[in-house]
Amino acid sequence: EAGVTQSPTHLIKTRGQQATLRCSPISGHTSVYWYQQALGLGLQFLLWYDEGEERNRGNFPPRFSGRQFPNYSSELNVNALELEDSALYLCASRDREETQYFGPGTRLLVL
Amino acid sequence: AQSVTQLDSHVSVSEGTPVLLRCNYSSSYSPSLFWYVQHPNKGLQLLLKYTSAATLVKGINGFEAEFKKSETSFHLTKPSAHMSDAAEYFCVVSDGRGGANNLFFGTGTRLTVIP
Repeated sequence: EAGVTQSPTHLIKTRGQQATLRCSPISGHTSVYWYQQALGLGLQFLLWYDEGEERNRGNFPPRFSGRQFPNYSSELNVNALELEDSALYLCASRDREETQYFGPGTRLLVL
Repeated sequence: AQSVTQLDSHVSVSEGTPVLLRCNYSSSYSPSLFWYVQHPNKGLQLLLKYTSAATLVKGINGFEAEFKKSETSFHLTKPSAHMSDAAEYFCVVSDGRGGANNLFFGTGTRLTVIP
């Protein structure tokens, strides 16, 4: 069974630009979570999508947004990039036993 | 509110000796607790999880953890460290309210295994 996949693996942007990160959950999982792992700040919950709707968001500004598609894949968009947005962005999907399985991440570097 | 405290930021052991990674949690609800491992430049891999069944949980790669409610602890152990165990380990508590299952991560413990 294929795991959670994320693309791209690496992304380099400049300040003010927009970044789009993509995630495909494990087949059969309908919930997708996004987390930010920034150096020195640990892993922080960003967004939760389920059945195509945003269900909850962490303590991040509105320029962090996303969506979930009918096939349950998801996009994370970060607008007006700032240097401190540089981080590893992890996506996870959740099974019926409420366990989250993580993808390999997208490393975003903002210059 | 949910929170997790990993008591050691860095643990160093010799190959073949026991591993102990300490974790204390705070939760207003009956928690679900997890240990995840992250190897360099990789995503997180689930080691084991506790969901109010047996208090001693066995995971992959010989790891296990014991849920102790009276001590609010969920320490991770392994009898004999292997070089491949060198990684970052995260203790995680789940906020299951409303089906959210948002995960709250500890700050991580970096395990170094000395040959």
